[in-house]
Amino acid sequence: QVQLQQWGAGLLKPSETLSLTCAVYGGSFSDYYGTWIRQPPGKGLEWIGEIIQSGTTNYNPSLKSRVTMSLDTSRKQFSLKLSSLTAADTAVYYCARRVTVHYYMDVWGKGTPVIVS
Amino acid sequence: QSALTQPPSASESPGQSVTISCTGTSSDVGAYNYVSWYQQHPGKAPKLMIYEVNKRPSGVPDRFFGSKSGNTASLTVSGLQADDEADYYCSSYAGSNNLIFGGGTKLTVL
Repeated sequence: QVQLQQWGAGLLKPSETLSLTCAVYGGSFSDYYGTWIRQPPGKGLEWIGEIIQSGTTNYNPSLKSRVTMSLDTSRKQFSLKLSSLTAADTAVYYCARRVTVHYYMDVWGKGTPVIVS
Repeated sequence: QSALTQPPSASESPGQSVTISCTGTSSDVGAYNYVSWYQQHPGKAPKLMIYEVNKRPSGVPDRFFGSKSGNTASLTVSGLQADDEADYYCSSYAGSNNLIFGGGTKLTVL
C-alpha cells in the first residue's frame, strides 16, 4: 500500500522560502506525478503543481513565478520550494500522487501546516 | 483560471439522498471527462471518492455517484450516514496541464 510522508519547516517569515519534501513508500514513483496542493485556513483546495520522473513540471499559472519543484528518484522523493512568502501563503500543504494520463489524486500525504508570520 | 463553483453547504437527514453541484465552464468541466470528487473530514487529508466523472475507486461505497451534464458535474450521496458528514471538493482538468478545484461544500447529516 503506497503511502506518502511529507515534512518541512512549519513557521516562516515573510519573504522567506518554503521548502517541503514528500517521500513515497510502498510503491513505485514511475508513471506518477508528484503533486502539491494547499489549503488556507477555512478555505478550499488549490493545486500548486506537479513533477514527473522525467523532471517535467506543470505549475499553477498564479504561482508559477515563485514555485520550483524537484525530485530525487533514487530516494523516491519530490520537493516543493515556494519563494517570496507572504501571509497569504499560510496554509496546510499536501503532497499527493497523480497517475499519468489521469487527472485525479489517489494517494495523499497527511499535510504540513505552514504559517507565514 | 477560476475555481469551480460549489454551494457552500448542503444538508439532509440520515438515509436520504443529497446532490452537490460543481459548475465550471466549457474550458474545464464541459470540455473534459476528468472531474473528480474528494471527501475531507476535519483535520484530515482529502480522500478520492469519484474520478473521471463517475468512476469509484476500490473501497468507496456505491452510495456515492458522480455525473455530468454540460458544464456542471454532480455528486449524489444516497442512504446518508453520519460518517458522510464532511467537506466535499470537486476538481477538473482545465487544459494546458492545469487542475482546478471547487470551493468546497460542507455536507451536514441532520
